[in-house]
Amino acid sequence: DVQLVESGGDLVQPGGSLRLSCAASGFTFGGFWMTWVRQAPGKGLEWVAVIKQDGSETDYVGSVKGRFTISRDNTKNSLWLQMNGLRVEDTAVYFCTRGGGDSRWRPSDFWGQGTMVTVSS
Amino acid sequence: DIVLTQSPDSLAVSLGERVTLNCKSSQSLFYKSNKKNYLGWYQQKAGQPPKLLIYWASTRESGVPDRFSGSGSETDFTLTITGLQAEDVALYYCQQYYGAPYTFGQGTKLEIK
Repeated sequence: DVQLVESGGDLVQPGGSLRLSCAASGFTFGGFWMTWVRQAPGKGLEWVAVIKQDGSETDYVGSVKGRFTISRDNTKNSLWLQMNGLRVEDTAVYFCTRGGGDSRWRPSDFWGQGTMVTVSS
Repeated sequence: DIVLTQSPDSLAVSLGERVTLNCKSSQSLFYKSNKKNYLGWYQQKAGQPPKLLIYWASTRESGVPDRFSGSGSETDFTLTITGLQAEDVALYYCQQYYGAPYTFGQGTKLEIK
């Protein structure tokens, strides 16, 4: 079975940094685009970032560009989101999701349970 | 960015009734070269991550009950539940994957009347 398990969420002060991890199993991790999607408490979903199978291509939502970095290691079946310059509005549950195998232009067909990031002083 | 607007924001429907949820895009999601609409529908139950129900606007994901169906093209899309069941209580989101960032609608909350 496909499994995506996020970790690394925590309480952090504004301006701080945090690194989220996603451990993947049950599928050929290196064969898929991967994404991060977040959900603020009581709010809707927001797509955050995407990374190509070999890590050579990435893209971000405008509000995190220059602050967040998505990366992966296919030998470790792992996905990361490095978050710097955190703001109160980054407070959310962050989901790791599986994207397309043949193209980046695909929906997220599997989601992890999410990890909570709280940015507050 | 492409804006998706869902309607209604919430609705309450009796068990067994038909439910229609709408999603309107600020621009066409139809890609002429492959004749596909780059729109998906997700269901999110309380305390759970979203689950993909429909992709390409009308293709049901494996394992999704056939009472869920999607329709529409270009800018106007619909998710229909034929015969509402108690376990369908959830938030429903549409998402476009036509252009980055892959935006979501604001969601429709579905309850039992």
